[in-house]
Amino acid sequence: GENVEQHPSTLSVQEGDSAVIKCTYSDSASNYFPWYKQELGKRPQLIIDIRSNVGEKKDQRIAVTLNKTAKHFSLHITETQPEDSAVYFCAAPNYGGSQGNLIFGKGTKLSVKP
Amino acid sequence: DAGVIQSPRHEVTEMGQEVTLRCKPISGHDYLFWYRQTMMRGLELLIYFNNNVPIDDSGMPEDRFSAKMPNASFSTLKIQPSEPRDSAVYFCASSLRGQGFNEQFFGPGTRLTVL
Repeated sequence: GENVEQHPSTLSVQEGDSAVIKCTYSDSASNYFPWYKQELGKRPQLIIDIRSNVGEKKDQRIAVTLNKTAKHFSLHITETQPEDSAVYFCAAPNYGGSQGNLIFGKGTKLSVKP
Repeated sequence: DAGVIQSPRHEVTEMGQEVTLRCKPISGHDYLFWYRQTMMRGLELLIYFNNNVPIDDSGMPEDRFSAKMPNASFSTLKIQPSEPRDSAVYFCASSLRGQGFNEQFFGPGTRLTVL
């Protein structure tokens, strides 16, 4: 089945700097890669996703890049703000079951210091 | 739409007691997922349903855990008997799969504490 590894586990940046979180996956058949943000005490919420037919997707200050050859995808946050502080999870499909589910990375705790 | 609804939001119980967590998915969604989140193990998938049918329960830790989805608008996760190591936040999520994977919408979670 799919294996998703996420790095780093913690990341601290100064406000205004950029942050990059990277995930690798193992199943070359995977074709959907979402990123979720979880603020303290809240539920995970989707912030951006990418499908395997594109290499990059942007939404204001966040972007995701996908390298299918290397089997990795990354989340880029520019001009970080204190409200970006949260835990970020990547995920990839697991086709091991009959219809598939998402396998989540272990998460990256991002701290943005004012 | 009110989103995914879970109840209770907090549950404190004593070891050995039965615990039932409830979930109402977003209307029209065809997939429902139960997750458990702890600091040590992260976000773990316990079981998921498609059109009310359990598809994969390989994440259910042991026979003390059971889940049902009697209809498209309701699911339960039951732990009997509960143990302190079951303490965690339990999330329910739903999605509309369509032609491929799509966003999973998470409920607010149930924080379970087993004393």
